[in-house]
Amino acid sequence: GEDVEQSLFLSVREGDSSVINCTYTDSSSTYLYWYKQEPGAGLQLLTYIFSNMDMKQDQRLTVLLNKKDKHLSLRIADTQTGDSAIYFCAWGNTPLVFGKGTRLSVIA
Amino acid sequence: EAGVAQSPRYKIIEKRQSVAFWCNPISGHATLYWYQQILGQGPKLLIQFQNNGVVDDSQLPKDRFSAERLKGVDSTLKIQPAKLEDSAVYLCASSLEGGLETQYFGPGTRLLVL
Repeated sequence: GEDVEQSLFLSVREGDSSVINCTYTDSSSTYLYWYKQEPGAGLQLLTYIFSNMDMKQDQRLTVLLNKKDKHLSLRIADTQTGDSAIYFCAWGNTPLVFGKGTRLSVIA
Repeated sequence: EAGVAQSPRYKIIEKRQSVAFWCNPISGHATLYWYQQILGQGPKLLIQFQNNGVVDDSQLPKDRFSAERLKGVDSTLKIQPAKLEDSAVYLCASSLEGGLETQYFGPGTRLLVL
């Protein structure tokens, strides 16, 4: 079956880069997603990557996909206090399988 | 464009009581999803509708949970009777068609069962 693993916590200083990691076991999915969840809110789609890509850049966000190691990462450049949230990677076609989320804390 | 709407935002009930949640998806979205998010975990799919038909309800505890989408638009999720372990955030999402389409999430209903 499918499984997604994420580190639970990450703390960075404002202005630094954040790197959130995700590993998975099932490689049959077409897309991998990154969602952001702020306190008391639903999930907001940040970005996604096709499984046949190695990298995708979108403004401050860079997604790296290592298919050999089944590893996905999200890099946030110039991290701001507004980036403090829980970040979920999600994998699968239908249904989506979500990781447990990484809580990012940004220290001013 | 209005997002996915959910109500109520919060609900506190005692175990063995019943509760219902409502979701209004983005206009024109054929596919609607209900997820359960237990504290400290990622969302888990409970049921997926395509228009008013059920596509996947394999993880729905059917002895106590039910959901419907009678006219292919709004949906309700019901729990009867509730258990303590049902305390969670219930998220509704919708997508244009389903499959690989991007899912858009509502703010969720936070349920506490005492």
